[in-house]
Amino acid sequence: AQTVTQSQPEMSVQEAETVTLSCTYDTSESNYYLFWYKQPPSRQMILVIRQEAYKQQNATENRFSVNFQKAAKSFSLKISDSQLGDTAMYFCAFMPNSGGYQKVTFGTGTKLQVIP
Amino acid sequence: KAGVTQTPRYLIKTRGQQVTLSCSPISGHRSVSWYQQTPGQGLQFLFEYFSETQRNKGNFPGRFSGRQFSNSRSEMNVSTLELGDSALYLCASSLVYDWGLATGELFFGEGSRLTVL
Repeated sequence: AQTVTQSQPEMSVQEAETVTLSCTYDTSESNYYLFWYKQPPSRQMILVIRQEAYKQQNATENRFSVNFQKAAKSFSLKISDSQLGDTAMYFCAFMPNSGGYQKVTFGTGTKLQVIP
Repeated sequence: KAGVTQTPRYLIKTRGQQVTLSCSPISGHRSVSWYQQTPGQGLQFLFEYFSETQRNKGNFPGRFSGRQFSNSRSEMNVSTLELGDSALYLCASSLVYDWGLATGELFFGEGSRLTVL
């Protein structure tokens, strides 16, 4: 079974600053996806960024980037130039890429507050 | 393109009743997954459907069931409701390759918030 651990229940960052959210996971799978999802207050969850385990290059999406350390089973999210709209719960998630099964395991989330 | 639509958005039930939640996926998405979100347990996988077949199931009692129709719309049912079933139930759809392999991105609906009294 897979586990995803987010050790930071809450974090805050000043607007325009950079913040890093941590995530570790445990799996015996060799082929998998890792995700960061964002859930703003009372709004639907959206995908922030996705990383395929076989790709060595870290994924980036505008101000969002990840530091994927496969051997260490670590997958952190860096948000640069933080904006008020980044205030949300952030969930790290794992999905094995085998058999077509779309079963995603989520971490417990990190509540990020961007302070003006 | 319309997003994932879940109905109803809010509902209140009493213990022992049953509830049915509906999810309409994004057009063209044939995989539908359901998740339960609670403050204490976080997001927990309930089940996933693809081509009207349940492909995977989480660790939930048999009171939780679901189905998928030929148009990919899905319903989940919870029978004999308990107080602990109060939660936000999220539906997510995803595009699946013709051979059934997941593409790895979930598109979520806004959820159905169930309160059991």
